[in-house]
Amino acid sequence: GENVEQHPSTLSVQEGDSAVIKCTYSDSASNYFPWYKQELGKRPQLIIDIRSNVGEKKDQRIAVTLNKTAKHFSLHITETQPEDSAVYFCAASKGSNYQLIWGAGTKLIIKP
Amino acid sequence: NAGVTQTPKFRVLKTGQSMTLLCAQDMNHEYMYWYRQDPGMGLRLIHYSVGEGTTAKGEVPDGYNVSRLKKQNFLLGLESAAPSQTSVYFCASSPPPSHEQFFGPGTRLTVL
Repeated sequence: GENVEQHPSTLSVQEGDSAVIKCTYSDSASNYFPWYKQELGKRPQLIIDIRSNVGEKKDQRIAVTLNKTAKHFSLHITETQPEDSAVYFCAASKGSNYQLIWGAGTKLIIKP
Repeated sequence: NAGVTQTPKFRVLKTGQSMTLLCAQDMNHEYMYWYRQDPGMGLRLIHYSVGEGTTAKGEVPDGYNVSRLKKQNFLLGLESAAPSQTSVYFCASSPPPSHEQFFGPGTRLTVL
């Protein structure tokens, strides 16, 4: 079955710098890759997603890139702000069953 | 719209006791999911449902049962609670063909 690995487990960056979180997946049939943000004590919420027919997608300060050949995808956050502090989860899915296989999460700390 | 709601928010059980967690959504979503979230392990799918009257096993179904008698409700049951079931439980729903999952606020369960 699908396996999703996420690195690093903790990332600390200076406010204003960029942050990059990487995920690898094992099933080449996976075709949907979302990123969720979970603030402390809150529920996960979708922040951006990408499908396998697209190599990159941007939404203001966040972007996701996908390398199908290498089976990895990354979340990029530019100009980080204190409100970006949270745990970020990547996931992968094959479109047919709508199940998501999740990475273990990355705790992002923004230092003032 | 209330979105996805979960009851109760917190619960403490003794080993061997039973309980039912209720998830309700008012968005008319077809798909619903139950996850457990443990520190450092991300979200793991327990059971899911692709429509009223249907359920299926996820990654970690042992010790849990579910029912989806009405489209808007998805119930998770623990017949004989064990300390290993101490976790935060999240319910989610999604409207195919969209893959986006909308989460409830979570239930923190402690089994002593």
